[in-house]
Amino acid sequence: DAKTTQPPSMDCAEGRAANLPCNHSTISGNEYVYWYRQIHSQGPQYIIHGLKNNETNEMASLIITEDRKSSTLILPHATLRDTAVYYCIVRKHGSGNTGKLIFGQGTTLQVKP
Amino acid sequence: DTAVSQTPKYLVTQMGNDKSIKCEQNLGHDTMYWYKQDSKKFLKIMFSYNNKELIINETVPNRFSPKSPDKAHLNLHINSLELGDSAVYFCASSQVLAGPYEQYFGPGTRLTVT
Repeated sequence: DAKTTQPPSMDCAEGRAANLPCNHSTISGNEYVYWYRQIHSQGPQYIIHGLKNNETNEMASLIITEDRKSSTLILPHATLRDTAVYYCIVRKHGSGNTGKLIFGQGTTLQVKP
Repeated sequence: DTAVSQTPKYLVTQMGNDKSIKCEQNLGHDTMYWYKQDSKKFLKIMFSYNNKELIINETVPNRFSPKSPDKAHLNLHINSLELGDSAVYFCASSQVLAGPYEQYFGPGTRLTVT
């Protein structure tokens, strides 16, 4: 699975959009981009995933560049409860996929009042 | 209803003891996992089971023995506990092994070895 690079930390004002970047320049064609987050002392929580098209769900939006070498997770209206470590993970689907998630250091997002 | 549950939540024990952590999922998923999060907060896969069969063993010492009595349960037994085993252990499950399905994580078991 391709490696990802994220900034170690970011701040965001409450009510504003939080834009979390991720670089995955060695991503291959059958690898998806996943985002999880871990709120302090809890288990990781799935947020969203995508292959090449932009995706949106009730939690967030995922913007993947056309060359797929980077992506941005957008939390449209950040709240204090969104303070967490956000992990960008690249994972294959299909045959040969073991299902494991390889977590990096992630980005610690601090939402401030 | 809790989707993925683990017991106990906290476990404090002495070096050399044997202990077990239990995990249950009520989501009807085929695949279950154990992850370890060390003191530096790195999360790393340890094992995965698919339909009660071991799929991944990520060079974990053989003191760690997972057991899956059925698809809904994946327990972790640890023999001869060492100080370095102190960590938070997370159980997770997903619908199938190879598909585009998210993993659901349990609340974690904080193991402290003294």
